[in-house]
Amino acid sequence: GESVGLHLPTLSVQEGDNSIINCAYSNSASDYFIWYKQESGKGPQFIIDIRSNMDKRQGQRVTVLLNKTVKHLSLQIAATQPGDSAVYFCAEGQGGGKLIFGQGTELSVKP
Amino acid sequence: GAVVSQHPSWVICKSGTSVKIECRSLDFQATTMFWYRQFPKQSLMLMATSNEGSKATYEQGVEKDKFLINHASLTLSTLTVTSAHPEDSSFYICSASRVSYEQYFGPGTRLTVT
Repeated sequence: GESVGLHLPTLSVQEGDNSIINCAYSNSASDYFIWYKQESGKGPQFIIDIRSNMDKRQGQRVTVLLNKTVKHLSLQIAATQPGDSAVYFCAEGQGGGKLIFGQGTELSVKP
Repeated sequence: GAVVSQHPSWVICKSGTSVKIECRSLDFQATTMFWYRQFPKQSLMLMATSNEGSKATYEQGVEKDKFLINHASLTLSTLTVTSAHPEDSSFYICSASRVSYEQYFGPGTRLTVT
């Protein structure tokens, strides 16, 4: 069936470096995507979203890029901090307001 | 704003018993609530979608008689795991939504069945 997947299950970066987390999706009809951060033992926390009529959206220290041609989504975190250590999920909007989550990438920030 | 709570945050129960998990939207009215299950080191898997006053819609493969969902009001949904077994041990997360795709997640409930 349709799914949203990630290329990298784990990512380790040095504090202060930029992080890039990738996500591939398979439903070309999807028009809404969200990135979530999940810390251990907690629920997902909204980071940033993007609609399919955009290819880039920026927030505070984060940027989401959408490439519809290759059905690829990425999350860039600038100047990564230890507090950014968590699992990051992309999610794809489906009918009825449902979200389908990708596999997740565990980001580890080394001080 | 947009705070969602879950109760309990963790529960241990014996095999064969039932467990109820509550999900509340504290400062808004949620037209739709969603229930997810998450195993360690895995993603969130949508179990069901519930709208206030109507029957929940379950995802394929989710047993509706085992995972009973009640959405009695615009601020409360409950998930009851009936006749729980060790394989039901998981992290259960709810979310509440007032507009399409905008989901606010609860902190999760850790269920351990012994």
